[in-house]
Amino acid sequence: GAVVSQHPSWVICKSGTSVKIECRSLDFQATTMFWYRQFPKQSLMLMATSNEGSKATYEQGVEKDKFLINHASLTLSTLTVTSAHPEDSSFYICSARALQGQYFGPGTRLTVL
Amino acid sequence: DAKTTQPNSMESNEEEPVHLPCNHSTISGTDYIHWYRQLPSQGPEYVIHGLTSNVNNRMASLAIAEDRKSSTLILHRATLRDAAVYYCILRPHGSSNTGKLIFGQGTTLQVKP
Repeated sequence: GAVVSQHPSWVICKSGTSVKIECRSLDFQATTMFWYRQFPKQSLMLMATSNEGSKATYEQGVEKDKFLINHASLTLSTLTVTSAHPEDSSFYICSARALQGQYFGPGTRLTVL
Repeated sequence: DAKTTQPNSMESNEEEPVHLPCNHSTISGTDYIHWYRQLPSQGPEYVIHGLTSNVNNRMASLAIAEDRKSSTLILHRATLRDAAVYYCILRPHGSSNTGKLIFGQGTTLQVKP
């Protein structure tokens, strides 16, 4: 199947700093990518839908100014967690939509101290 | 979005078949039934999907009830590597659909040696 990568796989940062997470579709082009967040022992929660060349669509309750999404090319979407705080510590997972289905990245573990 | 209901957890013995049920009584005619699974600290992995007819692939089989209000994911011979959270998700198809997948709580499958 299609491959989606994320970088970094884990990151630890200090409170108040910003963190950028990259999501790449390695062998296909994705006009649409999705960002999810998952807290321990909970299910995935959709944060936003990222469309190449246009603004992202955020789910209700997700702050667009805190979670900046950029989808500048057909193979790359980035999520920037601005002014991160300990409550933003979570597992962030991206997904890319291909012709044959939807594929998920391996996730990025963010820990904010 | 139409919802699905799954048991919180199930147990199976290694090398025995496993039947994971999913109820989706409010399914609409354009909803496809998707199954994903998530191993610990990884992104979800596509398992199988179907619309009306039963489906088979190398990973599993999907049995869909005639009224489409329920479905069952069948792992023919469970291995320890099949221990994961299994998600049953309905995804509408159509030009107006963004393709986003909304995850429920899923079923945690434990496989005993």
